[in-house]
Amino acid sequence: DAKTTQPPSMDCAEGRAANLPCNHSTISGNEYVYWYRQIHSQGPQYIIHGLKNNETNEMASLIITEDRKSSTLILPHATLRDTAVYYCIVHISSGSARQLTFGSGTQLTVLP
Amino acid sequence: DGGITQSPKYLFRKEGQNVTLSCEQNLNHDAMYWYRQDPGQGLRLIYYSQIVNDFQKGDIAEGYSVSREKKESFPLTVTSAQKNPTAFYLCARSPRRGPYGYTFGSGTRLTVV
Repeated sequence: DAKTTQPPSMDCAEGRAANLPCNHSTISGNEYVYWYRQIHSQGPQYIIHGLKNNETNEMASLIITEDRKSSTLILPHATLRDTAVYYCIVHISSGSARQLTFGSGTQLTVLP
Repeated sequence: DGGITQSPKYLFRKEGQNVTLSCEQNLNHDAMYWYRQDPGQGLRLIYYSQIVNDFQKGDIAEGYSVSREKKESFPLTVTSAQKNPTAFYLCARSPRRGPYGYTFGSGTRLTVV
């Protein structure tokens, strides 16, 4: 799997958009980009994933650059409950070996 | 619980004792995984299973054992051979194929004294 690079920490004001970047310059053509978040002492929660196109769901939006070497997770109106560690992962979706590798992620702190 | 349950939430054991952590899922998913998390660190894969009666070692399998006798259950045993067993243990499930995300349990925090 391709490696990812994320900033270790970010702050965001409550009610503003939180934009979390991720670099994955060695991503291959059949690897998806996944985002998870982990609130302290809980299991990680799946947020969103994408291959090429931008994606949006009820939690967030995922913007993937045209060359697919980086992506941005956008939380449009951050709340205090969005304070968590956010993990960006790239992985091949097909095939039988689907174990994901989690790095250290980005600690997002939403400030009141 | 997202269809996956870990128990207990907190577990204390004396050094040298084996301990088994429970993980049960009710969504008929083929694949299940065990991860370990240490303070301030990411997740590291211990074992995973794609189908019943089959499992593979992850990156840090030494000192751990698993079984997969039925699809809904994937217990993890932390043996006395694991040198630093105190950690947060997470179980996850997913469909075996397709671009679907993992669903994690709420975790078991194991403390060995």
